[in-house]
Amino acid sequence: NAGVTQTPKFRILKIGQSMTLQCAQDMNHNYMYWYRQDPGMGLKLIYYSVGAGITDKGEVPNGYNVSRSTTEDFPLRLELAAPSQTSVYFCASSYWGQGNEKLFFGSGTQLSVL
Amino acid sequence: DAKTTQPTSMDCAEGRAANLPCNHSTISGNEYVYWYRQIHSQGPQYIIHGLKNNETNEMASLIITEDRKSSTLILPHATLRDTAVYYCIVRVKPSMDSNYQLIWGAGTKLIIKP
Repeated sequence: NAGVTQTPKFRILKIGQSMTLQCAQDMNHNYMYWYRQDPGMGLKLIYYSVGAGITDKGEVPNGYNVSRSTTEDFPLRLELAAPSQTSVYFCASSYWGQGNEKLFFGSGTQLSVL
Repeated sequence: DAKTTQPTSMDCAEGRAANLPCNHSTISGNEYVYWYRQIHSQGPQYIIHGLKNNETNEMASLIITEDRKSSTLILPHATLRDTAVYYCIVRVKPSMDSNYQLIWGAGTKLIIKP
């Protein structure tokens, strides 16, 4: 199993540009998540999904959109990039149930908005 | 806001036990405590979690106080590869109609010294 795969690994955007961060998992997990991590800080939850067709906002959803058309894929869309969105983005997945959730993380996408 | 408090950094000698404390004084009865670590900006890695009882696995032990207001992660024989940021996290439910989420703090930077 590849686990959680994120692409691209690095990206530089200009202010106002749009892009999609891709995330795929091959573990048949029902839950998927998008986090951002600013330097020296912990992770902040952007959006999560409990299954195909179901998404919900996390702590910091503004400026982002997500969709979950399949169990495997959970792309994150930035519509109008702003410097405040410069961060490292992590996608994760888990099988949720009975307090035994373990999150499996991708290797991250380093995004700079200039 | 994070519901946990951890020291910013700690040192430990290689081969000794590393004991990482965490305070979670406002934890509710059904909220689990999770520990993850992050090695040099990689995706976080799950270590262990617990609710009331002490837990042990191949990576570490988790000791939770009887009142559940604090816990300690123990790495029994620390190696240089255990140098990382360690996050103590409480799984919370932000509102009645939301799902459980992991709220991350800034973690403890553990440095293992030869």
